[in-house]
Parts: sequence; C-alpha cells; structure tokens
Amino acid sequence: NAGVTQTPKFQVLKTGQSMTLQCAQDMNHNSMYWYRQDPGMGLRLIYYSASEGTTDKGEVPNGYNVSRLNKREFSLRLESAAPSQTSVYFCASHPGVNQPQHFGDGTRLSIL
Amino acid sequence: QQPVQSPQAVILREGEDAVINCSSSKALYSVHWYRQKHGEAPVFLMILLKGGEQKGHDKISASFNEKKQQSSLYLTASQLSYSGTYFCGTEQGAQKLVFGQGTRLTINP
Repeated sequence: NAGVTQTPKFQVLKTGQSMTLQCAQDMNHNSMYWYRQDPGMGLRLIYYSASEGTTDKGEVPNGYNVSRLNKREFSLRLESAAPSQTSVYFCASHPGVNQPQHFGDGTRLSIL
Repeated sequence: QQPVQSPQAVILREGEDAVINCSSSKALYSVHWYRQKHGEAPVFLMILLKGGEQKGHDKISASFNEKKQQSSLYLTASQLSYSGTYFCGTEQGAQKLVFGQGTRLTINP
C-alpha cells in the first residue's frame, strides 16, 4: 500500500518561478488536504477538498491554487513563488468524518 | 479557528510523566492527536468524539472534557521513543481539519 504519495520530495526555486506540487492517494478517500509547516507554527491548512469536484480555502490560501483532478489526485500550485513560501508541504487524505487523516512524507520547498 | 496547545515545549527524563493540553473557545466535533518525529510525517495516535470520553493504548491516553472544549494527552512513564512534536487537530465542519501549533516533547535518558 502506497498510501499518500507526494512529488517531488525536495525542490529549490527562484523567486517568481512557478511550480506544482503533486499528491496522489490510493485509499479511495473522499477528502484531501494541503498543509504547510513552518518552525513553531504547526500545521496550517492551505486548501482542502471535501470531495471530488470541490475545493475550499483553509487558513493560509493566499499565493496558492489547487486542483482536485480526480478522486485520487490533489495538486497545489505556486504561480509566482516568494521566499515566504519556503516551507515543508504536507498532503493528507481523509476517508470521512471522525476518521484519521493519512499524511504523505512531505515536500521540502526552498525559494531563493 | 486554530486550537491552542500548551505547553509549547516539555523536557523530561525517561520515566517521567507529561500532560499536553488542547483547548478551544467553541465546542468541538472531535479531537485528533498526532505525533511527528523530526523530518517525518505526522502519525495518527487517537480520536476522541464524545464529551467525557477517555481513550488510550499502552502508556499514552487522552481525555475529552464534558463540554468538548478541551482535550488532554497523557504520557506516563515516558520512553525515549515518545520524543517528538504532538499536535491536536479539530474538525471544524465540512471535513475541515485544523491543527494546533504543536508541543515539542524531549525525553532525555
């Protein structure tokens, strides 16, 4: 079982470049999430998708866009990367209410 | 609304106990607890759903108060393997799960 797979694992960008982070899950979960993690800030919700075809903003959506391509895949796009977006990005999936979330291994993104 | 965790950091000697709190100004649907080792993804520990609920396995347990506004995670006779950052997460409707800022737990021999 692969679970939640994120690509790439590491990336370095220059300010102003664009990039798409990919996430796929093979557990047939309805909901998918993107979080960013910065030192001392915990996990902050960027966007989530409660079901295929829907997306909603989380706590820190500015500077990001998402696409729920199908039930398996949920991508996060940075249109014009900024140094403040340097972070570790986690994708997660969730089968339903009151169930555990499953996390990917994260993408470490540095923007110079 | 992000839940508030306390303390922000704890340092213990092996065998000592710890309590981590998670609170909200509003009643919560449920509380999730996760542990994250350095450089790894968060790993699920447990979920509490009902006011007054207590749940646990091995030496890690948690409670949810009657008003469903506070949860506590209890680690007894701590082991070196318990080191990491602990997060509580709360479901805030429509599958939206929001986490606290985390509590860093360090266990020394």
